[in-house]
Amino acid sequence: ETGVTQSPTHLIKTRGQQVTLRCSSQSGHNTVSWYQQALGQGPQFIFQYYREEENGRGNFPPRFSGLQFPNYSSELNVNALELDDSALYLCASSSIAGGPDNEQFFGPGTRLTVL
Amino acid sequence: GQSLEQPSEVTAVEGAIVQINCTYQTSGFYGLSWYQQHDGGAPTFLSYNALDGLEETGRFSSFLSRSDSYGYLLLQELQMKDSASYFCAVTSRSNYQLIWGAGTKLIIKP
Repeated sequence: ETGVTQSPTHLIKTRGQQVTLRCSSQSGHNTVSWYQQALGQGPQFIFQYYREEENGRGNFPPRFSGLQFPNYSSELNVNALELDDSALYLCASSSIAGGPDNEQFFGPGTRLTVL
Repeated sequence: GQSLEQPSEVTAVEGAIVQINCTYQTSGFYGLSWYQQHDGGAPTFLSYNALDGLEETGRFSSFLSRSDSYGYLLLQELQMKDSASYFCAVTSRSNYQLIWGAGTKLIIKP
Protein backbone atom coordinates (compact mmCIF):
# COMPACT_ATOMS: atom_id res chain seq x y z
CA GLU A 1 0.00 0.00 0.00
CA THR A 2 1.61 3.25 -1.11
CA GLY A 3 1.23 6.36 0.98
CA VAL A 4 0.36 9.90 -0.03
CA THR A 5 2.95 11.57 -2.22
CA GLN A 6 3.32 15.20 -3.22
CA SER A 7 5.40 17.01 -5.79
CA PRO A 8 7.44 19.06 -5.90
CA THR A 9 8.90 19.11 -2.39
CA HIS A 10 10.10 22.69 -2.68
CA LEU A 11 9.21 25.49 -5.06
CA ILE A 12 10.23 29.11 -5.43
CA LYS A 13 8.04 31.50 -7.41
CA THR A 14 7.75 35.23 -7.81
CA ARG A 15 4.74 37.37 -7.04
CA GLY A 16 2.09 37.25 -9.75
CA GLN A 17 3.10 33.86 -11.10
CA GLN A 18 0.95 30.74 -11.14
CA VAL A 19 1.76 27.40 -9.52
CA THR A 20 0.44 23.84 -9.70
CA LEU A 21 1.03 21.40 -6.87
CA ARG A 22 0.33 17.70 -7.23
CA CYS A 23 -0.81 14.96 -4.89
CA SER A 24 -1.20 11.24 -5.28
CA SER A 25 -3.67 9.76 -2.81
CA GLN A 26 -3.27 6.62 -0.81
CA SER A 27 -4.58 3.55 -2.56
CA GLY A 28 -8.32 3.05 -2.04
CA HIS A 29 -9.00 6.62 -0.88
CA ASN A 30 -11.56 8.65 -2.81
CA THR A 31 -11.29 11.92 -0.90
CA VAL A 32 -8.51 14.46 -0.87
CA SER A 33 -8.21 17.60 1.21
CA TRP A 34 -5.74 20.43 0.72
CA TYR A 35 -4.36 22.57 3.53
CA GLN A 36 -2.12 25.59 3.82
CA GLN A 37 0.16 25.66 6.84
CA ALA A 38 2.04 28.83 7.65
CA LEU A 39 5.10 28.57 9.88
CA GLY A 40 4.11 27.98 13.49
CA GLN A 41 0.41 27.66 12.67
CA GLY A 42 -2.06 24.85 12.29
CA PRO A 43 -3.15 23.72 8.83
CA GLN A 44 -5.88 25.84 7.27
CA PHE A 45 -8.45 23.98 5.20
CA ILE A 46 -8.47 25.09 1.55
CA PHE A 47 -10.89 22.63 -0.03
CA GLN A 48 -11.83 19.00 -0.32
CA TYR A 49 -12.58 16.83 -3.35
CA TYR A 50 -14.68 13.70 -3.32
CA ARG A 51 -15.00 11.64 -6.49
CA GLU A 52 -13.78 14.52 -8.65
CA GLU A 53 -16.23 17.08 -7.25
CA GLU A 54 -15.45 19.89 -4.82
CA ASN A 55 -16.96 18.84 -1.51
CA GLY A 56 -16.36 21.87 0.64
CA ARG A 57 -14.19 24.95 0.69
CA GLY A 58 -12.49 27.00 3.34
CA ASN A 59 -11.97 30.74 3.45
CA PHE A 60 -9.65 31.04 0.46
CA PRO A 61 -10.10 33.27 -2.61
CA PRO A 62 -11.06 31.87 -6.03
CA ARG A 63 -7.48 32.09 -7.26
CA PHE A 64 -7.01 28.88 -5.26
CA SER A 65 -8.52 26.11 -7.36
CA GLY A 66 -8.25 22.38 -7.59
CA LEU A 67 -8.89 19.25 -9.56
CA GLN A 68 -9.30 15.61 -8.69
CA PHE A 69 -8.76 13.01 -11.40
CA PRO A 70 -10.44 9.62 -11.94
CA ASN A 71 -7.46 7.88 -10.35
CA TYR A 72 -8.01 10.16 -7.31
CA SER A 73 -4.78 12.07 -7.77
CA SER A 74 -5.28 15.81 -7.48
CA GLU A 75 -3.86 19.24 -8.15
CA LEU A 76 -3.89 22.53 -6.33
CA ASN A 77 -3.55 25.59 -8.56
CA VAL A 78 -2.80 29.05 -7.26
CA ASN A 79 -2.96 32.03 -9.59
CA ALA A 80 -1.55 35.52 -9.13
CA LEU A 81 0.74 34.45 -6.29
CA GLU A 82 1.12 36.80 -3.35
CA LEU A 83 3.89 36.94 -0.77
CA ASP A 84 1.48 35.65 1.89
CA ASP A 85 0.99 32.46 -0.12
CA SER A 86 4.40 31.31 1.09
CA ALA A 87 3.64 28.25 3.20
CA LEU A 88 3.70 24.48 3.42
CA TYR A 89 0.91 22.99 1.32
CA LEU A 90 -0.35 19.65 2.53
CA CYS A 91 -2.66 17.22 0.90
CA ALA A 92 -4.40 14.49 2.83
CA SER A 93 -6.35 11.55 1.56
CA SER A 94 -9.12 9.72 3.32
CA SER A 95 -12.06 7.50 2.62
CA ILE A 96 -15.39 9.11 3.43
CA ALA A 97 -16.91 5.70 3.00
CA GLY A 98 -14.93 4.72 6.06
CA GLY A 99 -17.07 7.00 8.19
CA PRO A 100 -16.59 10.26 10.02
CA ASP A 101 -13.65 9.12 12.11
CA ASN A 102 -11.97 10.90 9.27
CA GLU A 103 -8.45 9.70 9.77
CA GLN A 104 -6.57 11.63 7.15
CA PHE A 105 -3.26 10.50 5.75
CA PHE A 106 -0.96 13.36 4.92
CA GLY A 107 1.68 13.70 2.29
CA PRO A 108 5.05 15.26 3.12
CA GLY A 109 3.95 18.64 1.75
CA THR A 110 5.23 21.16 -0.76
CA ARG A 111 7.12 24.13 0.64
CA LEU A 112 6.21 27.14 -1.53
CA THR A 113 8.22 30.33 -1.29
CA VAL A 114 6.95 33.43 -3.07
CA LEU A 115 9.50 36.19 -3.61
CA GLY B 1 -17.70 30.80 13.59
CA GLN B 2 -15.43 27.96 14.55
CA SER B 3 -12.40 28.17 16.79
CA LEU B 4 -10.17 25.92 18.84
CA GLU B 5 -7.90 26.88 21.70
CA GLN B 6 -4.94 24.94 22.96
CA PRO B 7 -1.78 26.02 24.81
CA SER B 8 1.02 27.18 22.56
CA GLU B 9 3.74 25.35 24.44
CA VAL B 10 4.07 22.70 27.15
CA THR B 11 7.27 21.49 28.79
CA ALA B 12 7.67 18.13 30.53
CA VAL B 13 10.35 15.73 31.72
CA GLU B 14 11.21 12.43 30.07
CA GLY B 15 9.22 9.61 31.67
CA ALA B 16 6.54 11.93 33.00
CA ILE B 17 2.88 12.40 32.03
CA VAL B 18 1.58 15.45 30.22
CA GLN B 19 -1.92 16.61 29.32
CA ILE B 20 -2.66 18.94 26.41
CA ASN B 21 -6.05 20.60 26.60
CA CYS B 22 -8.27 21.76 23.77
CA THR B 23 -11.47 23.76 23.92
CA TYR B 24 -13.55 24.35 20.86
CA GLN B 25 -16.40 26.43 19.59
CA THR B 26 -18.03 25.12 16.47
CA SER B 27 -21.29 24.59 14.71
CA GLY B 28 -22.15 21.06 13.71
CA PHE B 29 -19.58 19.19 15.78
CA TYR B 30 -18.92 15.60 14.82
CA GLY B 31 -15.75 14.63 16.61
CA LEU B 32 -12.35 15.69 17.91
CA SER B 33 -9.10 14.42 16.44
CA TRP B 34 -5.51 14.72 17.56
CA TYR B 35 -2.51 14.84 15.25
CA GLN B 36 1.21 14.87 15.89
CA GLN B 37 3.64 16.79 13.71
CA HIS B 38 7.40 16.74 14.03
CA ASP B 39 9.37 19.71 12.75
CA GLY B 40 9.54 19.53 8.96
CA GLY B 41 7.22 16.55 8.84
CA ALA B 42 3.63 15.83 7.93
CA PRO B 43 0.86 15.53 10.53
CA THR B 44 0.12 11.97 11.62
CA PHE B 45 -3.16 10.82 13.11
CA LEU B 46 -3.19 9.91 16.80
CA SER B 47 -6.79 9.55 17.90
CA TYR B 48 -10.42 10.45 17.35
CA ASN B 49 -13.27 10.93 19.84
CA ALA B 50 -16.88 11.20 18.75
CA LEU B 51 -18.44 10.25 22.08
CA ASP B 52 -17.78 11.40 25.63
CA GLY B 53 -15.10 9.51 27.45
CA LEU B 54 -11.57 8.28 27.23
CA GLU B 55 -9.97 6.49 24.29
CA GLU B 56 -6.68 4.76 24.97
CA THR B 57 -4.07 3.80 22.41
CA GLY B 58 -0.85 2.64 23.96
CA ARG B 59 0.90 5.49 25.74
CA PHE B 60 -1.56 8.03 24.33
CA SER B 61 -5.11 8.63 25.52
CA SER B 62 -7.66 11.17 24.39
CA PHE B 63 -10.71 12.45 26.24
CA LEU B 64 -13.82 14.29 25.11
CA SER B 65 -16.62 16.07 26.91
CA ARG B 66 -19.15 17.28 24.36
CA SER B 67 -21.19 19.18 26.94
CA ASP B 68 -18.10 21.20 27.93
CA SER B 69 -16.75 21.49 24.34
CA TYR B 70 -13.49 20.25 25.77
CA GLY B 71 -11.00 17.52 25.14
CA TYR B 72 -7.48 16.59 26.05
CA LEU B 73 -4.62 14.42 24.89
CA LEU B 74 -2.73 12.55 27.58
CA LEU B 75 0.77 11.30 26.89
CA GLN B 76 2.33 8.88 29.38
CA GLU B 77 5.89 7.65 29.86
CA LEU B 78 7.18 10.52 27.77
CA GLN B 79 10.06 9.81 25.45
CA MET B 80 12.34 12.29 23.74
CA LYS B 81 10.86 11.28 20.38
CA ASP B 82 7.49 12.65 21.58
CA SER B 83 8.89 16.17 21.20
CA ALA B 84 6.64 17.56 18.49
CA SER B 85 3.65 19.80 17.91
CA TYR B 86 0.24 18.40 18.76
CA PHE B 87 -2.91 19.64 17.08
CA CYS B 88 -6.50 19.17 18.02
CA ALA B 89 -8.94 19.32 15.13
CA VAL B 90 -12.70 19.33 14.99
CA THR B 91 -14.59 17.35 12.39
CA SER B 92 -17.37 19.50 11.03
CA ARG B 93 -20.73 17.79 10.62
CA SER B 94 -20.89 19.16 7.10
CA ASN B 95 -18.59 17.26 4.74
CA TYR B 96 -16.38 15.94 7.55
CA GLN B 97 -13.97 18.86 7.13
CA LEU B 98 -11.22 19.24 9.68
CA ILE B 99 -10.84 22.58 11.46
CA TRP B 100 -7.48 22.78 13.25
CA GLY B 101 -6.16 24.48 16.34
CA ALA B 102 -2.88 26.39 16.24
CA GLY B 103 -0.98 23.52 17.85
CA THR B 104 0.86 22.88 21.10
CA LYS B 105 4.62 22.54 20.98
CA LEU B 106 5.66 19.83 23.44
CA ILE B 107 9.20 20.23 24.75
CA ILE B 108 10.64 17.25 26.61
CA LYS B 109 13.66 17.63 28.85
CA PRO B 110 15.92 14.78 29.96
